[in-house]
Amino acid sequence: EVKLVESGGGLVQPGGSLRLSCAASGFTFSSYWMHWVRQAPGKGLVWVSRINSDGTTTTYADSVKGRFTISRDNAKNTLYLQLNSLRAEDTAVYYCARVLMGFCNGGSCHRWFDPWGQGTLVTVSS
Amino acid sequence: QTVVTQEPSLSVSPGGTVTLTCGLSSGSVSTTHYPSWYQQTPGQAPRTLIYAANIRSSGVPDRFSGSILGNKAALTITGAQADDESDYYCVLYLVGGIPWVFGGGTKLTVL
Repeated sequence: EVKLVESGGGLVQPGGSLRLSCAASGFTFSSYWMHWVRQAPGKGLVWVSRINSDGTTTTYADSVKGRFTISRDNAKNTLYLQLNSLRAEDTAVYYCARVLMGFCNGGSCHRWFDPWGQGTLVTVSS
Repeated sequence: QTVVTQEPSLSVSPGGTVTLTCGLSSGSVSTTHYPSWYQQTPGQAPRTLIYAANIRSSGVPDRFSGSILGNKAALTITGAQADDESDYYCVLYLVGGIPWVFGGGTKLTVL
């Protein structure tokens, strides 16, 4: 079974740090781009960050650039998100997700998120 | 910054048909945006419904279908059931800037 399990969330004070983990199983983790998506309480999904299969390329949403760092350990089948300088507006459930590619046409391949982990809640509050 | 637009809320009668749309604040949605759709019930992780604009994910009932309608991506539910009452999100892949942008979601009520 393909599965993603996040951990590491919790309550942290503004300005604090946290490291989230996403343990992958049931697929060849090292072959896929991985992403983090977050959802503030009562709000919609927001893309946060992505990393390529070997960890050499990363991209961030403007709202977290310079504060969050995505990384991966392919030997441990684990994705990470280091959250620094946390703000109240970072309070959210953080989901990790794999991106699949297929249905290619002329060198352009469709991409979609699947599966998603169950999420881990980060609460930034004093 | 490009915004992905969705209806904030829609309602459908049991057995009825409803279409949710996913648009761009500037320009038209096409297959090059790799539109996909996700269903989320309260407290649960998103579930993949549709990808590549019109391909149903494994296990998704065939009452769910995806398409490009005019200048938007669309998710149609034909023969809605009570357990289709959920939040639905689309996401588009954009070249330049933020690569992935989710719509604000549509809260679907079945009544």
